[in-house]
This record gives sequence, structure tokens and C-alpha cells, in this order.
Amino acid sequence: TQLLEQSPQFLSIQEGENLTVYCNSSSVFSSLQWYRQEPGEGPVLLVTVVTGGEVKKLKRLTFQFGDARKDSSLHITAAQPGDTGLYLCAGPLPYNFNKFYFGSGTKLNVKP
Amino acid sequence: EAQVTQNPRYLITVTGKKLTVTCSQNMNHEYMSWYRQDPGLGLRQIYYSMNVEVTDKGDVPEGYKVSRKEKRNFPLILESPSPNQTSLYFCASTPIQGTTGELFFGEGSRLTVL
Repeated sequence: TQLLEQSPQFLSIQEGENLTVYCNSSSVFSSLQWYRQEPGEGPVLLVTVVTGGEVKKLKRLTFQFGDARKDSSLHITAAQPGDTGLYLCAGPLPYNFNKFYFGSGTKLNVKP
Repeated sequence: EAQVTQNPRYLITVTGKKLTVTCSQNMNHEYMSWYRQDPGLGLRQIYYSMNVEVTDKGDVPEGYKVSRKEKRNFPLILESPSPNQTSLYFCASTPIQGTTGELFFGEGSRLTVL
């Protein structure tokens, strides 16, 4: 079983729609990061959330860290084809910052 | 240009034939790590290194070895590859691993073991 569970696994939407991706765990995380990965490339960091309840905005993307630091969400407003990719949440557990865990990923396809 | 470079990018090999995937970073980062990516499982950490000569196991270390003799290089060694090690491998580095350390990834090495 994955330490970080992401849902949905796949998402195919039309340009202009809104969507939310979820990242959940039964464990508390020191922080959570969101990465985006495009085919043939390594993941690239989008954001890091550190404080429980924190909300960060990056243009049309809104990231939230749950109050208990066990979950996070990524909301995209008015999705564009350029948002297409694999979205991964990731983070270290509080007792060992060197061991990094990733979610299984959400594959997003935004159709023009 | 700041980057993490992996080689080879693609490799097809046979069971039991030792191979090494190299990883080099030019950002003077202390922390480096290896991951494998399999469909539906995201990335799983194989090994990590906090500095030269300091390495430790991640979540899926079986069948792999690493070494960190120089700060910039962190090769992944498969002494006797098996088909279940067919995967996409990523090397990553970060200045100092901590709660907010951004991981910088290489472009990946796709390995097929027949």
C-alpha cells in the first residue's frame, strides 16, 4: 500500500473546466510538495506546503495542506491543454527527512 | 546550466549482466537519491546519500547498490539485473534534504531487463 494515495488516478477534461486532485495519507507529514511530470522528463516542483491549513496559489493552481497535515489538494481553475501531465504529491515523514515518499500520481489530460 | 545528468537514457539488457546507471549533478548539492517509477505506483525511493561516503536505503533497495565517492556523482549499480527491475529510473538532488528541500530530477533512464 502507498503511504500517499492520490485520486483520481486519471482525469480527462475539456479546456476551461475546473478540477481537484487529492492526496491523502494516514500519516502526518512535515510538509508536502506537488510536482508535475511531462512525458520523457523528470518531475518538476510546483509548490511546497509546510503549515497545516496553508493555502498557496500559483496563477490558476491552488494548493491546500490539511489542518492535520495528512492530506493535500490541488485545484486547477479553467484548465488549459498546457496543464496536461502527471501530478505527483510527495513528502518526507517527520522522523526522517531523508526518506521521501511519492503518491501514485494523477494523470491529467486537458482537451482543447 | 544547472542540471542532473543521467546515462544511459535507454538500455536493454539481459538477466544477470551487471550494469551501472550514472548520475551527475553540477549544483554542488549534498543530497542525492535514486527512484524507480512504475505504472500506478508513482516514484519509490531506492537509495539516498546525504553526503560523500554516506548512503542509506530507501523503500525498495533490494537488488541495487550505490556509491558516493564524489559529491557530484551517485551511480546506481545493478549487480545481477532481473526482469522485475525493468523500470524508469530517476536520479535527483537537493542542496540539503529537509522539510522543504526541492528535488531536482534528471531526465530518467528507461531500463528493460530481458
